[in-house]
Amino acid sequence: AQSVTQLGSHVSVSEGALVLLRCNYSSSVPPYLFWYVQYPNQGLQLLLKYTSAATLVKGINGFEAEFKKSETSFHLTKPSAHMSDAAEYFCAVTEPLGGSYIPTFGRGTSLIVHP
Amino acid sequence: DTEVTQTPKHLVMGMTNKKSLKCEQHMGHRAMYWYKQKAKKPPELMFVYSYEKLSINESVPSRFSPECPNSSLLNLHLHALQPEDSALYLCASSSRQGNTGELFFGEGSRLTVL
Repeated sequence: AQSVTQLGSHVSVSEGALVLLRCNYSSSVPPYLFWYVQYPNQGLQLLLKYTSAATLVKGINGFEAEFKKSETSFHLTKPSAHMSDAAEYFCAVTEPLGGSYIPTFGRGTSLIVHP
Repeated sequence: DTEVTQTPKHLVMGMTNKKSLKCEQHMGHRAMYWYKQKAKKPPELMFVYSYEKLSINESVPSRFSPECPNSSLLNLHLHALQPEDSALYLCASSSRQGNTGELFFGEGSRLTVL
């Protein structure tokens, strides 16, 4: 069975500082991993995904994540935070289930960016 | 711009009303999903349609009734809802070919039950 743990329900950074959002997964088969972002009053938007190709994945808005099998982690980083990055971030994992891929979401991390 | 369109964006209804939420996508995706999301929580899966057939129902109360008229449309019919059903309802779609589970979400319909 698949599961996702996001450490920290809130992460607060200053504008220009490094952003690090943590995600650890559990999966019985090689997983597919995703980061989604949700801005207030909007749906979820895909930031980036790992699908067993390169372990360092680059996404939109300057975000990237590294798949580390030995640590079962898929942490999201951005070198320099912008005010516009303030949002809710969800890590998700998928495994085949009955012929379809249904993602399991982490509880989410709220990113707060201070001026 | 999202390629999954949901209407209405906001809906207020009484507990005796009947209303519907609508979702449309034109990406040729053959899997469509309804999720319910409470504030500051992850989306909770409600229903999955695959090739216009209901494939997953996550033990959702019968006051929520999904319908998939064709491969581009997904409806959620609402009847006799409770105040605790107030939430953001998200529609999503995914491709069946080479599917990895990546979902394309609409902007959601914010439902308030009085």
